[in-house]
Amino acid sequence: GAGVSQSPSNKVTEKGKDVELRCDPISGHTALYWYRQSLGQGLEFLIYFQGNSAPDKSGLPSDRFSAERTGGSVSTLTIQRTQQEDSAVYLCASSLGGPRTDTQYFGPGTRLTVL
Amino acid sequence: SQQGEEDPQALSIQEGENATMNCSYKTSINNLQWYRQNSGRGLVHLILIRSNEREKHSGRLRVTLDTSKKSSSLLITASRAADTASYFCATDENMRFGAGTRLTVKP
Repeated sequence: GAGVSQSPSNKVTEKGKDVELRCDPISGHTALYWYRQSLGQGLEFLIYFQGNSAPDKSGLPSDRFSAERTGGSVSTLTIQRTQQEDSAVYLCASSLGGPRTDTQYFGPGTRLTVL
Repeated sequence: SQQGEEDPQALSIQEGENATMNCSYKTSINNLQWYRQNSGRGLVHLILIRSNEREKHSGRLRVTLDTSKKSSSLLITASRAADTASYFCATDENMRFGAGTRLTVKP
């Protein structure tokens, strides 16, 4: 079946502009995660959605970052007033249940470059 | 700080040799997972080990978990050039990943 998809695959933007990154999780997966990965670094947790529960936003680095998940499926990560340090690959993952029980399946990522 | 911390940061071996990577974590967990990331191929789940398990096998992969030491190891036997990748561990607590171990398998 279809895996996690993300769009766009690449995004180049100018400093100060807003960007929206999209994630389509695997159908039926209740949990959705956003991470970012800077060049040569590990994954930095950003936010986690589980069903209808309030999202875990503890990883968002600043209030310029926000995410929503509509209808329990598609998610959008929004970065306002982008800065050069926001340049990274943004990865989305989904799992059938929560992280305590289930494997996360990752999308291919969106490479964001802020000029 | 990262919940999963891998070591070594980098490992270089010859094809056919075994590779061992370690992961340490700080809090109680329900499970620990290992992932692989090839350049250009994204992040792929390898194996999940639950807190009540001590060892788990999947093909050439062997994972151990020592909850008393809050550590896990990933052993890749009879390594191949295609195993060249970065390997990450993550626990279910806070979903933090470490910086990974960069494995290079020379043909």
